Amino acid sequence: KNQVEQSPQSLIILEGKNCTLQCNYTVSPFSNLRWYKQDTGRGPVSLTIMTFSENTKSNGRYTATLDADTKQSSLHITASQLSDSASYICVVSHTGTASKLTFGTGTRLQVTL
Amino acid sequence: DVKVTQSSRYLVKRTGEKVFLECVQDMDHENMFWYRQDPGLGLRLIYFSYDVKMKEKGDIPEGYSVSREKKERFSLILESASTNQTSMYLCASSLTVRETQYFGPGTRLLVL
Repeated sequence: KNQVEQSPQSLIILEGKNCTLQCNYTVSPFSNLRWYKQDTGRGPVSLTIMTFSENTKSNGRYTATLDADTKQSSLHITASQLSDSASYICVVSHTGTASKLTFGTGTRLQVTL
Repeated sequence: DVKVTQSSRYLVKRTGEKVFLECVQDMDHENMFWYRQDPGLGLRLIYFSYDVKMKEKGDIPEGYSVSREKKERFSLILESASTNQTSMYLCASSLTVRETQYFGPGTRLLVL
């Protein structure tokens, strides 16, 4: 069964600190992996997208890594800001049609003073 | 910037009512999607459309139908709303099936 598991479920960090969110997947055959940020009450917004051959991709203070061999991805946030408080969702795409996306349940990050 | 808009942010309906959720995108995207999002379950695909008048069932189509008469507009219809359809509904669009999906702000539906 295709699954995407994220950890931790929730995380509280102090402003300015770094953090890393994890995503493990069992999706096959793999096409790409995306990280989305979802603010409370809003739709998800894409942060990064990585294909099989890419192992790192950055978007400002956000850096995603992908290990296709171990089927793991991480999202590292550097020098966190209050505006980083959101849910972060890992989404894995199968090869084929658009319907073949598997969503993780997200990590809820809270950045505090 | 891609803009995906949804007709309502919040909606309260009664059991048995017919409910229409509208989604409009302004980037001439071929593909449009309807998801529902529930706590602890992640986003689940209800229906998607890859062209005008074309649709495909997603993972949880039961109790829903869709309509895509124009490229920019994709409607989700709850024929007879039930309390278990209380949820956050998100619309998305993408240029191709492999590219990033752009999401609308969501409609939070409460069925009483």
